[in-house]
Amino acid sequence: ETGVTQTPRHLVMGMTNKKSLKCEQHLGHNAMYWYKQSAKKPLELMFVYNFKEQTENNSVPSRFSPECPNSSHLFLHLHTLQPEDSALYLCASSQTVGRGEKLFFGSGTQLSVL
Amino acid sequence: ILNVEQSPQSLHVQEGDSTNFTCSFPSSNFYALHWYRWETAKSPEALFVMTLNGDEKKKGRISATLNTKEGYSYLYIKGSQPEDSATYLCAFVDSGYSTLTFGKGTMLLVSP
Repeated sequence: ETGVTQTPRHLVMGMTNKKSLKCEQHLGHNAMYWYKQSAKKPLELMFVYNFKEQTENNSVPSRFSPECPNSSHLFLHLHTLQPEDSALYLCASSQTVGRGEKLFFGSGTQLSVL
Repeated sequence: ILNVEQSPQSLHVQEGDSTNFTCSFPSSNFYALHWYRWETAKSPEALFVMTLNGDEKKKGRISATLNTKEGYSYLYIKGSQPEDSATYLCAFVDSGYSTLTFGKGTMLLVSP
């Protein structure tokens, strides 16, 4: 069992759909993150949760809505997305939100918005 | 906006070759520099977290050096193997923030 598990691996949705991405970590970490990887761009931080509290929202549009019910689970709720939101969405965790803490990543959800 | 640059963008070497690539970052407000390896269809995996100027870390055939005064880090792979084929990412941590700013990565392909 991998440390950070993301589902689904692939998702195709229309612009009017509502879907959710799920992330689960089995490492006992207290911090969880959502990153976006678009073609030709570096990994972009979207949201950070530390001990279930959102500590950072990196100017992400409201059509992306995160939820962290506990330290092990993180969701990203998607609604009325645009085609330019098509990307790889990566979840990560770390022991805490600390500057020297290395991140443990999931394999990502490849999202296509039609 | 923090600027983290990686070069080259991609690299193709033969098995057995040694190779190196560069990560450039702001030389002020340095706190840490991370290196990750990202194999296709897998998760990015941490290689090193470096915090001290002059630091050198090693993991098998892979090593990294850090120069915080001039704002660069080198990643070296000795005797490249096909299983080293991956994208290598660096990420800079500013002393004023707790989160990482990533570069675009160097894509390495090692041919048998």
